[in-house]
Amino acid sequence: RKEVEQDPGPFNVPEGATVAFNCTYSNSASQSFFWYRQDCRKEPKLLMSVYSSGNEDGRFTAQLNRASQYISLLIRDSKLSDSATYLCVVNLGLTGGGNKLTFGTGTQLKVEL
Amino acid sequence: NAGVTQTPKFQVLKTGQSMTLQCAQDMNHNSMYWYRQDPGMGLRLIYYSASEGTTDKGEVPNGYNVSRLNKREFSLRLESAAPSQTSVYFCASSNYLGQALNTEAFFGQGTRLTVV
Repeated sequence: RKEVEQDPGPFNVPEGATVAFNCTYSNSASQSFFWYRQDCRKEPKLLMSVYSSGNEDGRFTAQLNRASQYISLLIRDSKLSDSATYLCVVNLGLTGGGNKLTFGTGTQLKVEL
Repeated sequence: NAGVTQTPKFQVLKTGQSMTLQCAQDMNHNSMYWYRQDPGMGLRLIYYSASEGTTDKGEVPNGYNVSRLNKREFSLRLESAAPSQTSVYFCASSNYLGQALNTEAFFGQGTRLTVV
């Protein structure tokens, strides 16, 4: 079983739509969670961290369910500029310090006119 | 604001040749990583260095070696390149802040490697 699993998509949605991405992780000792965005042929960049209480940043809402080992990202009012690949990332904080960051394969989003 | 610098950006190798990909970060991060990205496979961890002086295998370490030269630099070596190692390679770094929160990873711009 992969450490981090995502639906690869692609998700093709019209502008203005709401779209949700899901991610599951296998290691219950994972300590922190993130969504990254990757544009074509570019390096990934942090979109937002994910907290158990849920967090929102403008049109983006992230949720974490530790009991189910499940992470979600909701994008409201999709824009053309949201077209990208969204990567779920899990951090296994290591005993003695340091991180091990594991990425999902990514979910591709295409927002269309 | 250099962040994470990778060299080279592009490289073509013949099967059996060796090369070293260089990575340096100027953010005083303690953890560094090498990933490869292939179509449909996402980012796969090759090796990581949780802190200076330590290195560990990731998901796909075969055919690679790494060196954490100092806190800033983490290199990836291909001793005998194979066509299966054709990929985009990303170096990244992050910091550990006690509770592993806010451990944003910063990436280099990637190295596009082709092995023929």
